[in-house]
Amino acid sequence: NAGVIQTPRHKVTGKGQEATLWCEPISGHSAVFWYRQTIVQGLEFLTYFRNQAPIDDSGMPKERFSAQMPNQSHSTLKIQSTQPQDSAVYLCASSLVAYEQYFGPGTRLTVL
Amino acid sequence: QQQVRQSPQSLTVWEGETAILNCSYENSAFDYFPWYQQFPGEGPALLISILSVSNKKEDGRFTIFFNKREKKLSLHIADSQPGDSATYFCAASAGFASALTFGSGTKVIVLP
Repeated sequence: NAGVIQTPRHKVTGKGQEATLWCEPISGHSAVFWYRQTIVQGLEFLTYFRNQAPIDDSGMPKERFSAQMPNQSHSTLKIQSTQPQDSAVYLCASSLVAYEQYFGPGTRLTVL
Repeated sequence: QQQVRQSPQSLTVWEGETAILNCSYENSAFDYFPWYQQFPGEGPALLISILSVSNKKEDGRFTIFFNKREKKLSLHIADSQPGDSATYFCAASAGFASALTFGSGTKVIVLP
Protein backbone atom coordinates (compact mmCIF):
# COMPACT_ATOMS: atom_id res chain seq x y z
CA ASN A 1 0.00 0.00 0.00
CA ALA A 2 1.23 3.47 -0.81
CA GLY A 3 1.95 5.71 2.12
CA VAL A 4 1.34 9.43 2.27
CA ILE A 5 2.45 11.02 -0.99
CA GLN A 6 3.84 14.54 -1.09
CA THR A 7 4.74 16.48 -4.20
CA PRO A 8 7.03 18.02 -5.16
CA ARG A 9 9.83 16.58 -3.03
CA HIS A 10 11.90 19.71 -3.55
CA LYS A 11 10.82 23.20 -4.50
CA VAL A 12 12.92 26.30 -4.98
CA THR A 13 11.22 29.68 -5.18
CA GLY A 14 12.40 33.23 -5.37
CA LYS A 15 11.49 35.66 -2.65
CA GLY A 16 7.96 36.94 -3.22
CA GLN A 17 6.82 34.01 -5.35
CA GLU A 18 4.00 31.62 -4.49
CA ALA A 19 4.50 27.98 -3.50
CA THR A 20 1.85 25.26 -3.51
CA LEU A 21 2.56 21.97 -1.81
CA TRP A 22 0.47 18.84 -2.37
CA CYS A 23 -0.40 15.96 -0.09
CA GLU A 24 -2.23 12.73 -0.89
CA PRO A 25 -3.23 10.92 2.32
CA ILE A 26 -3.31 7.16 2.75
CA SER A 27 -6.45 5.81 1.14
CA GLY A 28 -9.28 5.69 3.65
CA HIS A 29 -7.65 8.07 6.11
CA SER A 30 -9.99 10.93 6.91
CA ALA A 31 -7.64 13.18 8.90
CA VAL A 32 -4.79 15.18 7.37
CA PHE A 33 -2.21 17.14 9.33
CA TRP A 34 0.44 19.59 8.13
CA TYR A 35 3.67 20.16 10.05
CA ARG A 36 6.83 22.16 9.35
CA GLN A 37 10.35 21.06 10.28
CA THR A 38 13.36 23.35 10.63
CA ILE A 39 16.68 22.98 12.40
CA VAL A 40 15.92 25.90 14.71
CA GLN A 41 12.22 25.33 15.53
CA GLY A 42 12.05 21.56 15.12
CA LEU A 43 8.74 19.95 14.20
CA GLU A 44 5.80 22.33 14.45
CA PHE A 45 2.11 21.72 13.87
CA LEU A 46 0.46 23.95 11.30
CA THR A 47 -3.08 22.81 10.55
CA TYR A 48 -5.45 19.82 10.54
CA PHE A 49 -8.46 18.62 8.53
CA ARG A 50 -10.95 15.93 9.40
CA ASN A 51 -13.34 14.66 6.71
CA GLN A 52 -12.13 17.59 4.60
CA ALA A 53 -13.28 20.17 7.17
CA PRO A 54 -10.71 22.44 8.82
CA ILE A 55 -10.51 21.56 12.51
CA ASP A 56 -7.49 23.33 13.93
CA ASP A 57 -5.26 25.91 12.27
CA SER A 58 -3.70 27.27 15.45
CA GLY A 59 -0.17 26.71 14.14
CA MET A 60 -0.62 28.45 10.83
CA PRO A 61 1.07 31.82 10.38
CA LYS A 62 -1.75 34.36 10.06
CA GLU A 63 -0.46 35.88 6.88
CA ARG A 64 0.50 34.32 3.57
CA PHE A 65 -0.26 30.70 4.57
CA SER A 66 -3.44 28.86 3.66
CA ALA A 67 -4.48 25.21 3.41
CA GLN A 68 -7.34 23.43 1.75
CA MET A 69 -8.70 19.94 1.42
CA PRO A 70 -11.06 20.02 -1.58
CA ASN A 71 -11.61 16.26 -1.57
CA GLN A 72 -10.65 13.24 0.51
CA SER A 73 -7.74 12.35 -1.76
CA HIS A 74 -5.64 15.48 -1.48
CA SER A 75 -4.79 18.57 0.52
CA THR A 76 -2.77 21.61 -0.45
CA LEU A 77 -0.68 24.08 1.51
CA LYS A 78 -0.19 27.42 -0.22
CA ILE A 79 2.35 30.03 0.76
CA GLN A 80 1.99 33.41 -0.89
CA SER A 81 4.85 35.87 -1.27
CA THR A 82 7.40 33.38 0.09
CA GLN A 83 10.15 34.68 2.34
CA PRO A 84 13.54 33.13 3.19
CA GLN A 85 12.26 32.28 6.68
CA ASP A 86 9.63 30.02 5.07
CA SER A 87 12.43 27.66 4.00
CA ALA A 88 11.72 24.36 5.73
CA VAL A 89 10.60 20.79 5.19
CA TYR A 90 6.83 20.70 5.08
CA LEU A 91 5.40 17.40 6.26
CA CYS A 92 1.96 15.97 5.75
CA ALA A 93 0.55 13.19 7.93
CA SER A 94 -2.67 11.24 7.72
CA SER A 95 -4.69 9.32 10.25
CA LEU A 96 -7.76 7.08 10.45
CA VAL A 97 -9.15 9.55 13.03
CA ALA A 98 -7.32 7.52 15.61
CA TYR A 99 -4.17 8.25 17.56
CA GLU A 100 -1.60 7.11 15.00
CA GLN A 101 -0.36 9.60 12.43
CA TYR A 102 1.66 8.49 9.41
CA PHE A 103 3.96 10.95 7.75
CA GLY A 104 4.91 11.47 4.14
CA PRO A 105 8.48 12.10 2.98
CA GLY A 106 8.04 15.87 3.08
CA THR A 107 8.58 18.72 0.65
CA ARG A 108 11.79 20.67 1.08
CA LEU A 109 11.04 24.31 0.29
CA THR A 110 13.98 26.62 -0.35
CA VAL A 111 13.29 30.33 -0.75
CA LEU A 112 16.16 32.23 -2.31
CA GLN B 1 7.25 27.23 26.20
CA GLN B 2 8.62 23.79 25.39
CA GLN B 3 5.93 21.33 26.38
CA VAL B 4 7.87 18.19 25.42
CA ARG B 5 11.53 17.92 26.33
CA GLN B 6 14.00 15.29 25.19
CA SER B 7 17.42 14.30 26.42
CA PRO B 8 20.13 13.72 25.58
CA GLN B 9 20.48 15.72 22.38
CA SER B 10 22.78 13.04 21.00
CA LEU B 11 23.79 9.56 22.08
CA THR B 12 26.48 7.19 20.87
CA VAL B 13 26.37 3.51 21.78
CA TRP B 14 28.17 0.38 20.64
CA GLU B 15 26.40 -2.30 18.68
CA GLY B 16 24.61 -4.64 21.07
CA GLU B 17 24.21 -2.08 23.87
CA THR B 18 20.92 -0.62 25.09
CA ALA B 19 20.26 2.99 24.13
CA ILE B 20 18.05 4.95 26.54
CA LEU B 21 16.27 8.08 25.33
CA ASN B 22 14.40 10.31 27.75
CA CYS B 23 11.34 12.48 27.38
CA SER B 24 9.30 14.64 29.76
CA TYR B 25 6.18 16.72 29.31
CA GLU B 26 4.26 19.47 31.06
CA ASN B 27 0.69 19.25 29.83
CA SER B 28 -1.38 16.92 32.02
CA ALA B 29 -3.93 16.61 29.22
CA PHE B 30 -1.49 14.65 27.04
CA ASP B 31 -2.59 11.03 26.87
CA TYR B 32 -0.87 9.62 23.80
CA PHE B 33 2.89 9.40 23.37
CA PRO B 34 4.38 8.14 20.10
CA TRP B 35 8.05 7.84 19.27
CA TYR B 36 9.11 8.53 15.71
CA GLN B 37 12.31 7.49 13.97
CA GLN B 38 13.65 9.75 11.24
CA PHE B 39 16.46 9.12 8.77
CA PRO B 40 18.01 12.01 6.78
CA GLY B 41 15.88 13.02 3.83
CA GLU B 42 12.85 11.06 5.00
CA GLY B 43 9.71 11.84 6.97
CA PRO B 44 9.31 10.64 10.56
CA ALA B 45 8.22 7.00 10.81
CA LEU B 46 6.02 5.84 13.68
CA LEU B 47 8.10 3.45 15.74
CA ILE B 48 6.13 2.66 18.89
CA SER B 49 3.54 4.45 21.00
CA ILE B 50 1.87 4.29 24.40
CA LEU B 51 -1.32 5.57 25.97
CA SER B 52 -1.23 7.14 29.40
CA VAL B 53 -3.26 4.29 30.89
CA SER B 54 -0.25 1.99 30.45
CA ASN B 55 3.19 2.10 32.03
CA LYS B 56 5.06 -0.11 29.58
CA LYS B 57 4.87 -1.00 25.91
CA GLU B 58 7.15 -3.42 24.09
CA ASP B 59 7.64 -4.03 20.40
CA GLY B 60 10.59 -6.21 19.58
CA ARG B 61 13.76 -4.45 20.65
CA PHE B 62 11.92 -1.21 21.46
CA THR B 63 10.31 -0.57 24.86
CA ILE B 64 8.59 2.50 26.26
CA PHE B 65 8.53 3.02 30.02
CA PHE B 66 5.95 5.58 31.14
CA ASN B 67 5.57 7.34 34.51
CA LYS B 68 2.41 9.42 34.58
CA ARG B 69 2.99 10.81 38.08
CA GLU B 70 6.37 12.23 37.11
CA LYS B 71 5.32 13.10 33.55
CA LYS B 72 8.27 11.20 32.17
CA LEU B 73 8.83 8.45 29.66
CA SER B 74 11.76 6.74 28.08
CA LEU B 75 12.50 4.69 24.99
CA HIS B 76 14.86 1.75 25.38
CA ILE B 77 16.47 0.30 22.27
CA ALA B 78 17.87 -3.09 23.19
CA ASP B 79 20.66 -4.81 21.24
CA SER B 80 21.26 -1.63 19.23
CA GLN B 81 22.19 -2.13 15.59
CA PRO B 82 24.00 0.26 13.22
CA GLY B 83 20.75 0.46 11.24
CA ASP B 84 19.14 2.07 14.31
CA SER B 85 21.31 5.16 13.78
CA ALA B 86 18.75 7.90 13.29
CA THR B 87 17.06 10.80 15.06
CA TYR B 88 14.28 9.82 17.45
CA PHE B 89 11.44 12.16 18.34
CA CYS B 90 9.18 11.91 21.34
CA ALA B 91 5.74 13.41 20.74
CA ALA B 92 2.50 13.86 22.66
CA SER B 93 -1.12 14.66 21.98
CA ALA B 94 -4.29 15.24 23.99
CA GLY B 95 -7.09 13.04 22.69
CA PHE B 96 -7.16 11.05 19.50
CA ALA B 97 -6.92 12.73 16.11
CA SER B 98 -5.18 15.73 17.69
CA ALA B 99 -2.09 17.69 16.77
CA LEU B 100 1.18 16.24 17.97
CA THR B 101 3.63 18.29 20.02
CA PHE B 102 7.18 17.14 19.36
CA GLY B 103 10.36 17.18 21.38
CA SER B 104 13.58 18.42 19.84
CA GLY B 105 14.87 14.94 19.05
CA THR B 106 17.75 12.69 20.08
CA LYS B 107 20.32 11.74 17.48
CA VAL B 108 21.47 8.17 18.05
CA ILE B 109 24.66 6.78 16.56
CA VAL B 110 25.33 3.06 16.87
CA LEU B 111 28.93 2.11 16.29
CA PRO B 112 29.73 -1.35 14.90
